[in-house]
Amino acid sequence: DAMVIQNPRYQVTQFGKPVTLSCSQTLNHNVMYWYQQKSSQAPKLLFHYYDKDFNNEADTPDNFQSRRPNTSFCFLDIRSPGLGDAAMYLCATSRPRGVSRANEQFFGPGTRLTVL
Amino acid sequence: GEDVEQSLFLSVREGDSSVINCTYTDSSSTYLYWYKQEPGAGLQLLTYIFSNMDMKQDQRLTVLLNKKDKHLSLRIADTQTGDSAIYFCAEKDNQGGKLIFGQGTELSVKP
Repeated sequence: DAMVIQNPRYQVTQFGKPVTLSCSQTLNHNVMYWYQQKSSQAPKLLFHYYDKDFNNEADTPDNFQSRRPNTSFCFLDIRSPGLGDAAMYLCATSRPRGVSRANEQFFGPGTRLTVL
Repeated sequence: GEDVEQSLFLSVREGDSSVINCTYTDSSSTYLYWYKQEPGAGLQLLTYIFSNMDMKQDQRLTVLLNKKDKHLSLRIADTQTGDSAIYFCAEKDNQGGKLIFGQGTELSVKP
């Protein structure tokens, strides 16, 4: 089945130790998104890729970086995790607006990050 | 700026109908969405509605849109315990195309 896969599902890191979260998709969608969702809050968009074009949200901290080496994979790098970065990180994909009018986003299961 | 608001909790009995409400501020939104999130899981797209529609029905789900009042609702008929989850309303930002989510409504279904 076509899907969005996130690895690992649970990640524990230490304060200040770099961590990378992974997302892959078999949907062949052009657009990939990374969201941060803290407990009992709405998902908050960090950035997205339209093909290889990177689009950063204005309020995304510099501590968060992303890479998209090919259509299928996208990575979220947290350079120096702080306690406040503990959250669920959600990856999503969509087709461009010109292809899909509704531009639905399809989400992976998320990676829950714990910072000790 | 854009804002999407939902009530935080709703409790119903199994077999009753559930109605989850949402208000939004961006009158230029072309699409509005409902997502479901079960504990520890990602978001599952339930349904969406185009802004020139008043209503959309999909099996047990009915979406009503009042564009004048910027009010969106999701009705779940014959609510089951498996419907217990957090439901997020979202509008699409027409400038950047990103989704603006509400804070989610936690639906609790009691047997």
